Amino acid sequence: DGGITQSPKYLFRKEGQNVTLSCEQNLNHDAMYWYRQDPGQGLRLIYYSQIVNDFQKGDIAEGYSVSREKKESFPLTVTSAQKNPTAFYLCASVRVAEAFFGQGTRLTVV
Amino acid sequence: DQQVKQNSPSLSVQEGRISILNCDYTNSMFDYFLWYKKYPAEGPTFLISISSIKDKNEDGRFTVFLNKSAKHLSLHIVPSQPGDSAVYFCAASVRANYGQNFVFGPGTRLSVLP
Repeated sequence: DGGITQSPKYLFRKEGQNVTLSCEQNLNHDAMYWYRQDPGQGLRLIYYSQIVNDFQKGDIAEGYSVSREKKESFPLTVTSAQKNPTAFYLCASVRVAEAFFGQGTRLTVV
Repeated sequence: DQQVKQNSPSLSVQEGRISILNCDYTNSMFDYFLWYKKYPAEGPTFLISISSIKDKNEDGRFTVFLNKSAKHLSLHIVPSQPGDSAVYFCAASVRANYGQNFVFGPGTRLSVLP
């Protein structure tokens, strides 16, 4: 089946640790995006990539890093510099003007 | 400054009746609008979209209306079913210098009561 797969579904991180969230898609979409959702808020853009080996910062990129070495994969690293990392993270791939989302990863700092 | 607003945080509707979810935007450059449905701890699911050159798009029980002069769109669900209970996000997109830019509203929680 075609789709977007995020893993893990739940992730716990100790303060000061870096963690990497996986996002894989087999839809053959060039563009991929990472969003963060906090309670009562809309999705906020962290990073996005329109093509392999290129990516751009979104509205809240501080404390995050990404790579885009393959078309199918767009992993997000939440670094220790991110002061409030507990949130629900969503990855999307984009076809023309429509975004398709993965199931999300809930990250909790313990 | 929110570019996409959903002023009703929640809405309750009786099963079988019409649900109307509203969305307002401020940027006249938006050229495509989308509605997503989201269950807790899951990713948003695309529901329906509309281009700025149209004023209505229908797909089964879901219809989206766009009023460009008022910068307003709405999602109608008829008839509403208990399984429609979820958070609904309105999104607007525009072609930017570097790819497609999406802006999401804060969401409206719809509860369909049996």
